[in-house]
Amino acid sequence: AQSVTQLGSHVSVSEGALVLLRCNYSSSVPPYLFWYVQYPNQGLQLLLKYTTGATLVKGINGFEAEFKKSETSFHLTKPSAHMSDAAEYFCAVSEGSQGNLIFGKGTKLSVKP
Amino acid sequence: GAVVSQHPSRVICKSGTSVKIECRSLDFQATTMFWYRQFPKQSLMLMATSNEGSKATYEQGVEKDKFLINHASLTLSTLTVTSAHPEDSSFYICSARFSRRNTGELFFGEGSRLTVL
Repeated sequence: AQSVTQLGSHVSVSEGALVLLRCNYSSSVPPYLFWYVQYPNQGLQLLLKYTTGATLVKGINGFEAEFKKSETSFHLTKPSAHMSDAAEYFCAVSEGSQGNLIFGKGTKLSVKP
Repeated sequence: GAVVSQHPSRVICKSGTSVKIECRSLDFQATTMFWYRQFPKQSLMLMATSNEGSKATYEQGVEKDKFLINHASLTLSTLTVTSAHPEDSSFYICSARFSRRNTGELFFGEGSRLTVL
């Protein structure tokens, strides 16, 4: 069975500081991994995804994530936080391209001026 | 890019009434759509998988007679909350997978906030 663990339900950073949101997964097969962002009262927007190939993936809004198989991790980073990055972030895993997405519990990112 | 649209975005209804939420894929065909429920400050809970032309597959603990799902075409799935009660108040989100794309990601609607008085 697949699962996703997001460490830290709430992360607070200062504007301009590094953003690091942690995600660990478990999967019995090579995983497809995703990061989504959700703004209040809105649906989810895909930030980036890893399927195969290059383990460092770049997404929208300056975010990137690195797939580390040995650590079963897919942490999300951004070098410099903006106020507009404040939102809820969800990590998700699926078994291949047609499997259900299993979501982590989410991490709320706050950005202080 | 692919877009999924949900309607209505907000609905308030009286207890005992039924509410229908529509989910449309605007520029792609989606043989499979998913319905999620999200409680405040929590993650998404998969309710059911909607397959075009066949019965939906419900997750354990989700009442299929309570939450009716119809996927009549490749671009439209509907969720009807029947005889709604205050405990059904929640944020409902649909998503769809682009049938011809093999990249796995889901495209999400904007969500529908249901408040049952």
